[in-house]
Amino acid sequence: DGGITQSPKYLFRKEGQNVTLSCEQNLNHDAMYWYRQDPGQGLRLIYYSQIVNDFQKGDIAEGYSVSREKKESFPLTVTSAQKNPTAFYLCASRQIIGGTGELFFGEGSRLTVL
Amino acid sequence: AQRVTQPEKLLSVFKGAPVELKCNYSYSGSPELFWYVQYSRQRLQLLLRHISRESIKGFTADLNKGETSFHLKKPFAQEEDSAMYYCALWEYGNKLVFGAGTILRVKS
Repeated sequence: DGGITQSPKYLFRKEGQNVTLSCEQNLNHDAMYWYRQDPGQGLRLIYYSQIVNDFQKGDIAEGYSVSREKKESFPLTVTSAQKNPTAFYLCASRQIIGGTGELFFGEGSRLTVL
Repeated sequence: AQRVTQPEKLLSVFKGAPVELKCNYSYSGSPELFWYVQYSRQRLQLLLRHISRESIKGFTADLNKGETSFHLKKPFAQEEDSAMYYCALWEYGNKLVFGAGTILRVKS
């Protein structure tokens, strides 16, 4: 089954703890993205990576960190510095060269901070 | 900063009625615009993109550069069209910027 897999689907965290969300794709896409989805605010870009070992901050990167050690993987760490981490997180990927500009999304991970 | 504005949080129509979901953008270059849809319990997916000028599930969207709009239209709404709709704009080919989204509810 090809596509983007996010895990876990649901995650609970105590305040002060870091948590890492997994995102794996088997589409051989060049670029990967992390968005945060909040009601009434749409999707806001956290980080993106267009090539292995390189990534750029999006619009709301504070309190988050990422790595891109492999083409197929782009994990997101929500650190204790993120002031309001409870949200729905979406990972996406796309093919840059020869692509259509379409983003392919995972099913999302819902993080709740207790 | 580039912006995508969807002025309606919720649009409620009766089955068979026409639908228009509004999207306005601000962009200094040549815009590349998309509509994405999220049905209940499904992942976000592409509905259509302006460059292909296609009709998907009866929906069309025309880019109006003079009014900086990319409204999504369908002449006759169906119950299965109920979903969250997002307008999105590629920013200089690097980042896809989304609007706040509009919930479409089609009532029987």
